[in-house]
Amino acid sequence: DAGITQSPRHKVTETGTPVTLRCHQTENHRYMYWYRQDPGHGLRLIHYSYGVKDTDKGEVSDGYSVSRSKTEDFLLTLESATSSQTSVYFCAISDRATDTQYFGPGTRLTVL
Amino acid sequence: AQSVTQPDIHITVSEGASLELRCNYSYGATPYLFWYVQSPGQGLQLLLKYFSGDTLVQGIKGFEAEFKRSQSSFNLRKPSVHWSDAAEYFCAVGAGNAGNMLTFGGGTRLMVKP
Repeated sequence: DAGITQSPRHKVTETGTPVTLRCHQTENHRYMYWYRQDPGHGLRLIHYSYGVKDTDKGEVSDGYSVSRSKTEDFLLTLESATSSQTSVYFCAISDRATDTQYFGPGTRLTVL
Repeated sequence: AQSVTQPDIHITVSEGASLELRCNYSYGATPYLFWYVQSPGQGLQLLLKYFSGDTLVQGIKGFEAEFKRSQSSFNLRKPSVHWSDAAEYFCAVGAGNAGNMLTFGGGTRLMVKP
């Protein structure tokens, strides 16, 4: 357990509405990541952060934005949700001591 | 660009039988390789990892994996499968440097017959 929580754990929303998912960590890790998981695709990186206010795009960043105003929190925002963004979203941290990523429990998002 | 292929989408084995899950990667430098397991409705749990050294690595729950550079493979094995091993398994490759970006395979879903 790397002290990662995600909220909400489940969310149903409608097309066109904004959605924000929160990732919270308790161990002061510098690197944090957002992935989405879809059948047959494994996990794909959306955005990542390498420090407060330092973020960069991943493989599937279109339609998503992120913010990190505190070390412990990494927010993922869907400005205008679409049905193609229905997915399970995972947050992860990178433990530099072990060069290993650890994952949160996930958020299941359904966009109707 | 790095990539990971898990050729088997589904595998079914009998309880007590041996297991091998295949993983092939494409990476330009020495890779950092990982296997994660995901039980239904759960997050990902690290099974094992390879960074360097002995090419046969041991992990949790009785799993092991062997790195074969010549075949660009990192196959996961277990000598005797238990019903609780039913889950989805993901292979991933990364650079191991600052940031440690991971690229995941599509996953293999393991079913265990009694």
